Amino acid sequence: DQQVKQNSPSLSVQEGRISILNCDYTNSMFDYFLWYKKYPAEGPTFLISISSIKDKNEDGRFTVFLNKSAKHLSLHIVPSQPGDSAVYFCAGQNQGGKLIFGQGTELSVKP
Amino acid sequence: NAGVTQTPKFQVLKTGQSMTLQCAQDMNHEYMSWYRQDPGMGLRLIHYSVGAGITDQGEVPNGYNVSRSTTEDFPLRLLSAAPSQTSVYFCASSYYAAQETQYFGPGTRLLVL
Repeated sequence: DQQVKQNSPSLSVQEGRISILNCDYTNSMFDYFLWYKKYPAEGPTFLISISSIKDKNEDGRFTVFLNKSAKHLSLHIVPSQPGDSAVYFCAGQNQGGKLIFGQGTELSVKP
Repeated sequence: NAGVTQTPKFQVLKTGQSMTLQCAQDMNHEYMSWYRQDPGMGLRLIHYSVGAGITDQGEVPNGYNVSRSTTEDFPLRLLSAAPSQTSVYFCASSYYAAQETQYFGPGTRLLVL
């Protein structure tokens, strides 16, 4: 039972354009949703999060949107930069602190 | 601060061998956890600990043991390695269980032949 799904394994965008990464979930009990970024041969690093009681959170070029009725969240990166090329994982966090990750989406930003 | 450190970086095992993956953090974090990353599967929680002396199972605990005798260290033991345990293993920590930001180590790549 995949509680968090990222249905796009990869995404390619042009530098300067918007990158939109999508994530769907089935568990209504998540308290937070998080996005982690991972470069090759490194551990994931926290990027941005959103509380389940909010619908938007913004941090610089990164904005996360949450649509609870659709059980869908998305990460927008504007403008995209080549250094944003990485694998992005979304995750839901329950009350006990456990993180349930999606499969990841590999973003490639081309100059 | 070194953050979260993991050793070794890479290991090759034969089926049936045992080994311990080391994880340490110097941030005085109470919550520590182990994940494995497999292609197309994302990161899956193996075991976690909310403090010294307390551990619990995650999504995929079979074949792995953990202990937490100190706040700093959280080793993961493979009792009898199997090819299905070939994966990249990440250790993570945070101040407390429900803190949204977990800090990950650089990972241990394990190959079981």
